[in-house]
Amino acid sequence: AQSVTQLGSHVSVSEGALVLLRCNYSSSVPPYLFWYVQYPNQGLQLLLKYTTGATLVKGINGFEAEFKKSETSFHLTKPSAHMSDAAEYFCASMNRDDKIIFGKGTRLHILP
Amino acid sequence: KAGVTQTPRYLIKTRGQQVTLSCSPISGHRSVSWYQQTPGQGLQFLFEYFSETQRNKGNFPGRFSGRQFSNSRSEMNVSTLELGDSALYLCASSLGQLSADTQYFGPGTRLTVL
Repeated sequence: AQSVTQLGSHVSVSEGALVLLRCNYSSSVPPYLFWYVQYPNQGLQLLLKYTTGATLVKGINGFEAEFKKSETSFHLTKPSAHMSDAAEYFCASMNRDDKIIFGKGTRLHILP
Repeated sequence: KAGVTQTPRYLIKTRGQQVTLSCSPISGHRSVSWYQQTPGQGLQFLFEYFSETQRNKGNFPGRFSGRQFSNSRSEMNVSTLELGDSALYLCASSLGQLSADTQYFGPGTRLTVL
């Protein structure tokens, strides 16, 4: 069955440091992959998505993610963390049946 | 352009009651999807509607149902509420079908079942 695993329910980084949020998917065929961000009391906002083509995907707010089929991974990175990046991040996978599966989420804390 | 709106934002019900949640998509969007978010289960897909037809459904009991109107507005209904139905219910809209287009989420309806 399709699944998405996010390593670390909480991640803390210092302001200005690299942000790395890990996501692994399980799927027999390469799925569509997404990263969403959720701020308190708000809905989800799409950061970026991978469908086909270039494996390095650039999103909003300086985030990017790389699709690595051999590692079944889609980790999210940002070179320099900002206080405004503090939020919960969700990785999601969608197979060709159009059913979307979300990871459990990673809460990102930014230390001053 | 106005975003996705959900009403009401907060709701308190008791066990056994039923509830109807409403979602108004972004103007021109034809697809509406619903999700349940809980601390224990995380985000789970409920169903997707496109042009008034249910395209896809998640693994939820029949107590959860929905519909979409000709103006693309959607409602979700939960009958015979259980304590475990307490959750944030999110609605998302997209221009086309779910797989093809980016989804835009509303702020959610927080349902508390007592």
